[in-house]
Amino acid sequence: AQSVAQPEDQVNVAEGNPLTVKCTYSVSGNPYLFWYVQYPNRGLQFLLKYITGDNLVKGSYGFEAEFNKSQTSFHLKKPSALVSDSALYFCAVRALNSGNTPLVFGKGTRLSVIA
Amino acid sequence: DGGITQSPKYLFRKEGQNVTLSCEQNLNHDAMYWYRQDPGQGLRLIYYSQIVNDFQKGDIAEGYSVSREKKESFPLTVTSAQKNPTAFYLCASTPLRRPGDYGYTFGSGTRLTVV
Repeated sequence: AQSVAQPEDQVNVAEGNPLTVKCTYSVSGNPYLFWYVQYPNRGLQFLLKYITGDNLVKGSYGFEAEFNKSQTSFHLKKPSALVSDSALYFCAVRALNSGNTPLVFGKGTRLSVIA
Repeated sequence: DGGITQSPKYLFRKEGQNVTLSCEQNLNHDAMYWYRQDPGQGLRLIYYSQIVNDFQKGDIAEGYSVSREKKESFPLTVTSAQKNPTAFYLCASTPLRRPGDYGYTFGSGTRLTVV
């Protein structure tokens, strides 16, 4: 079975400081990993993905994520947070060789960037 | 522009009433998905479909029904058997060819409220 854990319901960070939103996963075999962002009353928007290759993945709006196979983690990071980054962030996973099984999403982490 | 359109944006349901949420995509995607979002519970899969005239139950299919008569359309009916339907409903799609490479494209959601 596939699963995703986002251990923090809420992350608060001051504007200009670095931010990290944590994600750990469990799959059989190698994973596809995704980060999405959701603004109020909107659908999810794709930020970045990891399939294979470089463990550091760069995505939209200055976000990046680091894949760590030994720790089964895929934490989302940004060097300098903006107030406009305040939103709900979701991590998602599916196994690389699972056919077309749907993505499994975490419960989300609400990021609040304070000016 | 290509995308997914969900309608209506807001929907009110009376007790014992069936309602249908619309999801239309013009991306030529093969697979379509319905998720339910509740505060603190993340996204939970209701139903998904990978080809026309075929669909599979997700984790919380009870009280819901779907159809896939056209590739572009995947409506969700919330039946009177769904005892707690108040939630935010999200539709998503993806091409099946190398689905991990693409992730999902989401609609803007429908907020359903029981009155």
